[in-house]
Formats: sequence, structure tokens, C-alpha cells
Amino acid sequence: DAGITQSPRHKVTETGTPVTLRCHQTENHRYMYWYRQDPGHGLRLIHYSYGVKDTDKGEVSDGYSVSRSKTEDFLLTLESATSSQTSVYFCAIRGDLSGANVLTFGAGSRLTVL
Amino acid sequence: AQSVTQLGSHVSVSEGALVLLRCNYSSSVPPYLFWYVQYPNQGLQLLLKYTTGATLVKGINGFEAEFKKSETSFHLTKPSAHMSDAAEYFCAVNDNYGQNFVFGPGTRLSVLP
Repeated sequence: DAGITQSPRHKVTETGTPVTLRCHQTENHRYMYWYRQDPGHGLRLIHYSYGVKDTDKGEVSDGYSVSRSKTEDFLLTLESATSSQTSVYFCAIRGDLSGANVLTFGAGSRLTVL
Repeated sequence: AQSVTQLGSHVSVSEGALVLLRCNYSSSVPPYLFWYVQYPNQGLQLLLKYTTGATLVKGINGFEAEFKKSETSFHLTKPSAHMSDAAEYFCAVNDNYGQNFVFGPGTRLSVLP
């Protein structure tokens, strides 16, 4: 998890409330990703960013928005949380210490929507 | 479009036995292939990757995988399982510096004493 910090690590919220998850990197990588992990589905891409203010949708983007105003921060927002968004959310950067084409993951944020 | 299938959502082996986790992929271009491991309540850690060149790649903790283009496979093996190998393993494909990395559903490995 070197260089990637996700916050909060755990959150319980109620249906209909807004939630923002933060991903912070210290590696100055261009690409950042948000995935959700659910049993039987592996990791599914929600949104990704290829630069400041440059973002695009993944396969499960409905109900989510993202923002990237600085290279180091990538925010994931659930405007109105639903129980189906209960999941573990992982942020990733593309690259490692050698600059290789790999994903390096944060420790995850566990979200429970009641 | 890319996709990844992993045969067997749960695999159990005895300590010291061979570990074989299966991964098949589809990709319209030469793929980059990856195996990641996830220990309980942790993020994903890269085990090994195939980009180009040698089709047998070695990773951390004694794992290796072989890229077989004709079979569109990238199976993960380890000659002798340790208790510490118990974790979930994910295979992933990237279309050669494309935007997305597509993951398989994962295989949970249990190691029995």
C-alpha cells in the first residue's frame, strides 16, 4: 500500500445520505482507478482518471461520481447511497516503483449502507 | 472487449501439495496478464505479471504462471503449498497499456494441514 491512502477505512451510513471516499497518492501517477469488490464478482471498475479533471466511466458507474482536482487526490462520491452500494472500495494507481504497467492498490474502504 | 474467467471459486489443497489455479482470458490484442493475491482484510498485492517475452514468469512466494496463447490461459502454480498461501487470488488482463484492467471473479485457496 506504499504511497496510497484511502479514507475512511470503514464507514456505516444510512440509505439516501451522500458519501465521499478519498484516495490520496504520493507517487505522482497519472492514472487512478476506483473499483468495488463484491463476492463472486471480483473487482469491477467504477471510474478512472487519466489526469487532473480527466475522468471516464467504468462498467458499474451508475450512482457514482468522481472528481480529480489535483494529481494526488481522486474522490469517489455516492450522491445518495443505496444498500446495493454496500461493498469494499479499492483505489488503485497505475504504476509501481519501477513505473511498470501494473495496478498498485490501496488498503480498501469498507462501506455499509443500512 | 476483454474478459477473465477463473475455474473454481474455491480450491482446497493439503500443505505440501501442488497448487494450480486456473485463469482463461479473452482479448482482441496481445494481452498483459497479472495475478494478484489478497489476504484477509487487506488490499491486493501483485504476485506476478506477463508482458512480453518469456512465457513462464516467476513471482513472489514461489509462485509462477505460464502464458499459453493457443489456450488463452495463464494458470498459476506453486509446487508445494504452505499454510501462509491461504488467500484469495485474482487473475487480471490489460490490453497492452489500455485504460482498463479487467479482473476475474477470484479463487479462494484453502490450505489444509
